[in-house]
Amino acid sequence: EAAVTQSPRSKVAVTGGKVTLSCHQTNNHDYMYWYRQDTGHGLRLIHYSYVADSTEKGDIPDGYKASRPSQENFSLILELASLSQTAVYFCASSDSWGAYEQYFGPGTRLTVL
Amino acid sequence: QQQVRQSPQSLTVWEGETAILNCSYENSAFDYFPWYQQFPGEGPALLISILSVSDKKEDGRFTIFFNKREKKLSLHIADSQPGDSATYFCAASGSSGSWQLIFGSGTQLTVMP
Repeated sequence: EAAVTQSPRSKVAVTGGKVTLSCHQTNNHDYMYWYRQDTGHGLRLIHYSYVADSTEKGDIPDGYKASRPSQENFSLILELASLSQTAVYFCASSDSWGAYEQYFGPGTRLTVL
Repeated sequence: QQQVRQSPQSLTVWEGETAILNCSYENSAFDYFPWYQQFPGEGPALLISILSVSDKKEDGRFTIFFNKREKKLSLHIADSQPGDSATYFCAASGSSGSWQLIFGSGTQLTVMP
């Protein structure tokens, strides 16, 4: 049974529109992460959270907001979607900060037109 | 500035051959190096990892070779199988894994039957 799930699995959005990507984990982990995957860039950290109601900026936070309403749920919000935000987005969780094994969701493919 | 570099970008081998995936890093403070395996349509999953105090780590057909002086490591996949076809990400972290995980851009491996 998948421990990290993401919804939607794919989405097409219009430029300037608002997009919300959702992540749910059943690992009982404190840490959750949002990554962006682009060809040639690997995975880059956008936002992360270590406790409900608190989020932190990662390496590429511009244009993104995050929300952690509970330990299990973590959302990524694009208030004004842009063409450059077309990518695959992964959510992950871990029981401690950093490189200790992170468990990834299946990803959301976002296309902004 | 890419702190973790991988080569080649893509690699094709025949079933039964040994696939060699290369990785190098810039930050001499990095001391923990996990490799993640990603199948199409799925999120990455931890495959094998090594700490810088070791120069070799084996797990079945998968072996990491680590050269601290040259800041290079490689993942060898012996007796490659078509089911090994995936993208492999080298990653790095410091202080034995308690820092943020930095990913390379990945190597797409195809194993031909």
